[in-house]
Amino acid sequence: GENVEQHPSTLSVQEGDSAVIKCTYSDSASNYFPWYKQELGKGPQLIIDIRSNVGEKKDQRIAVTLNKTAKHFSLHITETQPEDSAVYFCAASTGFQKLVFGTGTRLLVSP
Amino acid sequence: EPEVTQTPSHQVTQMGQEVILRCVPISNHLYFYWYRQILGQKVEFLVSFYNNEISEKSEIFDDQFSVERPDGSNFTLKIRSTKLEDSAMYFCASRWERGDRRETQYFGPGTRLLVL
Repeated sequence: GENVEQHPSTLSVQEGDSAVIKCTYSDSASNYFPWYKQELGKGPQLIIDIRSNVGEKKDQRIAVTLNKTAKHFSLHITETQPEDSAVYFCAASTGFQKLVFGTGTRLLVSP
Repeated sequence: EPEVTQTPSHQVTQMGQEVILRCVPISNHLYFYWYRQILGQKVEFLVSFYNNEISEKSEIFDDQFSVERPDGSNFTLKIRSTKLEDSAMYFCASRWERGDRRETQYFGPGTRLLVL
């Protein structure tokens, strides 16, 4: 079955810096890759997603890139703000069915 | 904005007791899911449900677990005889699909289950 690896496990940046989180997946059949933000005590909230027919997608300060050949995808956050501090999870799916999550990255943005 | 809701937010139970976790998916969604997250770990898939039947389940989802859509709005997860290792946050999710158009899963806020 699918296995998703995520790095780093923790990431500390200064406000205004960029943050990059990387994930790799194992199943070449996976074709949908969402990113979720989880704040303390809350459920995962979708922040951006990408489908396998697209190499890059951007939404304001957030972007995601996908390399199907290498089976990896990355989340890029620019101009980080303290409210970006949270745990970020990548996930992979085939046909929007069950999501296989990465292990999470705790992002801390210091003022 | 429509959202997935879950009740209760917290549940404490004794080992061996039955618990029912409840979810109200987004109203026009037809695909429903349960996931769990043990403290400090990643979110794990338990089961998916469509058209009143289980479409996929994980190894975690053994005979102690069951799901039901008892009416047009609720989606429940039952654990028949809870074990200490069932202590986790349980998330319900739902998504919309029609023809070739599919959307992502939206998650509820979770139920924190503690088995003593």
